[in-house]
Amino acid sequence: QVQLQQWGAGLLKPSETLSLSCDVYGGSFSGDSWTWIRQSPGKGLEWIGEINHGGSTSYNPSLRGRVTVSLDTSKNQFSLHLSSVTAADTAVYYCARCTRTFYYETNGHSGYYYYLDVWGEGTTVTVSS
Amino acid sequence: DIQMTQSPSSLSASVGDRVTITCRASQSIGSSLNWYQQKPGTAPKFLIYGTFNLESGVPSRFSGSGSGTDFTLTISSLQPEDFATYYCQQSYNTPRTFGGGTKVEIK
Repeated sequence: QVQLQQWGAGLLKPSETLSLSCDVYGGSFSGDSWTWIRQSPGKGLEWIGEINHGGSTSYNPSLRGRVTVSLDTSKNQFSLHLSSVTAADTAVYYCARCTRTFYYETNGHSGYYYYLDVWGEGTTVTVSS
Repeated sequence: DIQMTQSPSSLSASVGDRVTITCRASQSIGSSLNWYQQKPGTAPKFLIYGTFNLESGVPSRFSGSGSGTDFTLTISSLQPEDFATYYCQQSYNTPRTFGGGTKVEIK
């Protein structure tokens, strides 16, 4: 049973860099991707970015090059860095495992379903001067 | 980016009611649609992937349907523990965008 435990600084000043890490217990990085999501106060969920087991990344274009997701397989850990934060980055940040399952349809179409099946408990990050 | 639109944004229902939540994608996503449930102060809980595949342990009163751009989550008989906010998410491509959420409240 994979569990995720996340940690990092919860109070930042504008222009600083947000750094969060997520420790993976009970599993390995093989075959899965690892994702960061955030939720601004009273708002919905925003997908930030993901990294797969091979280290390939994909990011939300809305974060305009400020975001980096990295993987440290020796520590069973993945991390989020978000630079030049502003008050708009105040949110609860979640790490999650993105699992994929192969599908094949009778019309011959095939591919993978991707879904966030294991979540961390969330870290509240506040940006304030 | 693919935009995901949920409706309604909130609804009031009673225990035992049948509840349907709709999610619409701005372009076809095949059947790459997931659903999550979130209760206040907690992380989202994964419910359904690939439009209709229930995660292990999710009660059978939850079901999903649809394809292309239009999808639904149905709760056949609402239970007290089902009062929560529900989010859809497309996994067709990145960024894997979420809908705005539907809050299910007690009538």
